[in-house]
Amino acid sequence: SAVISQKPSRDICQRGTSLTIQCQVDSQVTMMFWYRQQPGQSLTLIATANQGSEATYESGFVIDKFPISRPNLTFSTLTVSNMSPEDSSIYLCSVVSRGRWTDTQYFGPGTRLTVL
Amino acid sequence: AQKITQTQPGMFVQEKEAVTLDCTYDTSDPSYGLFWYKQPSSGEMIFLIYQGSYDQQNATEGRYSLNFQKARKSANLVISASQLGDSAMYFCAMREGPDYKLSFGAGTTVTVRA
Repeated sequence: SAVISQKPSRDICQRGTSLTIQCQVDSQVTMMFWYRQQPGQSLTLIATANQGSEATYESGFVIDKFPISRPNLTFSTLTVSNMSPEDSSIYLCSVVSRGRWTDTQYFGPGTRLTVL
Repeated sequence: AQKITQTQPGMFVQEKEAVTLDCTYDTSDPSYGLFWYKQPSSGEMIFLIYQGSYDQQNATEGRYSLNFQKARKSANLVISASQLGDSAMYFCAMREGPDYKLSFGAGTTVTVRA
């Protein structure tokens, strides 16, 4: 499976500011996703990061709030813009790579964001 | 409608005993896959086991096994010989058809007692 790293691992930010989260993969992957996990909740898909084109956002998420870049097949960034306390969450990137049984989503270690 | 339902918000299990985590799903696509992930308090999501809709046998991986009952649309995870390190949140997820997106259940918290 792919090895995925995220930076930063955690951050505490002031409301109204923006934070950019990086996701780095050790191999080229086609499919990459960004998720949000609010406290005590399950994972919610924010968008699919498409290499060389605009990300595809899920209902309830917009590019102005969560701009995503995917400059190549091993790297992506997610920016959380104009943050409010409601944005306090764990943000996870994932990639699809071949697993033992099937193409499987593997996740990065997550970025734990607290907005004050 | 919820695609993945996990009805047990939290469970306690004694060390060395087995525990079963329930997962039911809803899909009209004949081709789908079911995944289980473990999320320790550190926050990372760890892939555990997979079951495909056309698989004839239940999946197994070490101490993890999947009790797949297709007619009932259930895919329960069984953890045998529980260890303290198994204490975590467990998520069931489903992929439908050719789409790589996953739908996640609400999760079940497992606490293993010594």
